[in-house]
Amino acid sequence: QKEVEQNSGPLSVPEGAIASLNCTYSDRGSQSFFWYRQYSGKSPELIMSIYSNGDKEDGRFTAQLNKASQYVSLLIRDSQPSDSATYLCAVNEGTGGKLIFGQGTELSVKP
Amino acid sequence: DTAVSQTPKYLVTQMGNDKSIKCEQNLGHDTMYWYKQDSKKFLKIMFSYNNKELIINETVPNRFSPKSPDKAHLNLHINSLELGDSAVYFCASSQDNNHRPFFGQGTRLTVV
Repeated sequence: QKEVEQNSGPLSVPEGAIASLNCTYSDRGSQSFFWYRQYSGKSPELIMSIYSNGDKEDGRFTAQLNKASQYVSLLIRDSQPSDSATYLCAVNEGTGGKLIFGQGTELSVKP
Repeated sequence: DTAVSQTPKYLVTQMGNDKSIKCEQNLGHDTMYWYKQDSKKFLKIMFSYNNKELIINETVPNRFSPKSPDKAHLNLHINSLELGDSAVYFCASSQDNNHRPFFGQGTRLTVV
């Protein structure tokens, strides 16, 4: 059973700090990795995708991928209270479009 | 201008009933999905269709039957509803099998 694992949290950080969210996956053949943000009562929305080893930056968000360690992370710089949400890590299994989601990490940014 | 829309948004029904959730996307995508999110926020794929053809069929009770009349629509029919079916059901679509999905707003199903 292919798995994606995240700490469920809650992860609490002060406003302005860096929030670090981590994810590990079991399928070595996975090629596509995604971070979704889900506000309470809302649908998941894609915030980052990453396909190759290294860092990918988009505004305050940086995704990091290490395929050898089967590890994906999301850094949020200058965290804002509006970043408070659940962050879902998702890994694409094979070529059939099947996304395996982690259980999500709840992030709370305190003013 | 909703990209992926599903109805109803809320559904409260009694055990044993049959219900349907409808989904439509106006993005011109070829692939559509149904996901289930349980009370612990665990999001799991149930089905995916590509151009009306069933691609992914996870281990889901056969009380759940998807139907795709055309590539812009994917409906979910559930027979003989059980308490454990209570969850949020998300419809999603993507350009093709290999692109990340856009999610609809979800249908919160409560079985009493």
